[in-house]
Amino acid sequence: ETGVTQTPRHLVMGMTNKKSLKCEQHLGHNAMYWYKQSAKKPLELMFVYSLEERVENNSVPSRFSPECPNSSHLFLHLHTLQPEDSALYLCASSLRMGQGAHLNEKLFFGSGTQLSVL
Amino acid sequence: QKEVEQNSGPLSVPEGAIASLNCTYSDRGSQSFFWYRQYSGKSPELIMFIYSNGDKEDGRFTAQLNKASQYVSLLIRDSQPSDSATYLCAVNGGSQGNLIFGKGTKLSVKP
Repeated sequence: ETGVTQTPRHLVMGMTNKKSLKCEQHLGHNAMYWYKQSAKKPLELMFVYSLEERVENNSVPSRFSPECPNSSHLFLHLHTLQPEDSALYLCASSLRMGQGAHLNEKLFFGSGTQLSVL
Repeated sequence: QKEVEQNSGPLSVPEGAIASLNCTYSDRGSQSFFWYRQYSGKSPELIMFIYSNGDKEDGRFTAQLNKASQYVSLLIRDSQPSDSATYLCAVNGGSQGNLIFGKGTKLSVKP
């Protein structure tokens, strides 16, 4: 148990559905992240929030919409997804964002949501 | 484009042997380096980090960093079947210092 909880663990959705992924961290961290992990590809950073403010959006399609209501909770809202969006979506947190302070960069991951888009 | 390269494997070693996992990175300005272990169907967990050139040991794990060669490695001594997993190398990068991950090396330790 890393202190980062993700729900649901598995999700199957059609291309016209709307669903949300939830992440909660109990570590007192100030930075939270969404990563996408596809087969045979590196972990891809999607969004970063620091102190509830989005600081990075790596050219992610608008069908993915993040929300960070407070420093402990992070959501990823999904709508009109494509089959190629099927992947493992991982939430992570760190004490603070990077910027040369090494301790800030240690990521603690949740268990992930395995998403299948039909 | 900042990149982190790893041999995808699988790397197969017998139980009790030393497993050597390697990683190269493209950004000379990188300052911190991490190894994450990911069991099948699970999320990555941090097992080692290193900031300075040389070796850093923690139990059966040794991380080695050579910034001049832009190379970082992980040695696992006395490998156990429970070490069988995918090992992800991560390097700090980007203006915000976010981590860039390699694709991972799959390690298989045979009893």
